[in-house]
Amino acid sequence: DGGITQSPKYLFRKEGQNVTLSCEQNLNHDAMYWYRQDPGQGLRLIYYSQIVNDFQKGDIAEGYSVSREKKESFPLTVTSAQKNPTAFYLCASSAGRETRQPQHFGDGTRLSIL
Amino acid sequence: AQSVTQPDIHITVSEGASLELRCNYSYGATPYLFWYVQSPGQGLQLLLKYFSGDTLVQGIKGFEAEFKRSQSSFNLRKPSVHWSDAAEYFCAVGTGGYNKLIFGAGTRLAVHP
Repeated sequence: DGGITQSPKYLFRKEGQNVTLSCEQNLNHDAMYWYRQDPGQGLRLIYYSQIVNDFQKGDIAEGYSVSREKKESFPLTVTSAQKNPTAFYLCASSAGRETRQPQHFGDGTRLSIL
Repeated sequence: AQSVTQPDIHITVSEGASLELRCNYSYGATPYLFWYVQSPGQGLQLLLKYFSGDTLVQGIKGFEAEFKRSQSSFNLRKPSVHWSDAAEYFCAVGTGGYNKLIFGAGTRLAVHP
């Protein structure tokens, strides 16, 4: 089955630690996205990538970093600079950059602080 | 600036009753509009989308939505709710250019037996 796989499902971070969230898709999609979800706030865009080796900051990129070395992979690193990292993180992909291409979502990673 | 408002944070309906979830958007041009559903601890699943043409859009799971330009609304409806419809529902507007979505805060639906 084609889809988006996020791992791990649950992740715990110690103070001052960087952690990396994995996102892999086998849909052959060009564009990929990372969102942060907090209760009562909907989804907010962290980073997006329209093509391999290229990515752009979204609305809340501070304290996060990404890479896009392969078409199917778009890992997100939550750095120690992100002071409030506890949230549900969702990865998405779409066939192209045009808005009419619907975004498909993974099942998310829940990050908590120890 | 573009924005999406879902006025109802929580809605409770009885199984078999009709449902309408409200969504209002603010966007200067013709919007691309989406409704997604999220079950607890899961990702988002696309219910339906509107780009142009017929203002009444049919989606999956028996849902439909109507685009009303004069009211800047894109309300989601279902004639008869099932217990399995209990979830959180998100309205989103696509802002053109690159594929950026602006999401509403969501409406959590509870279904009483």
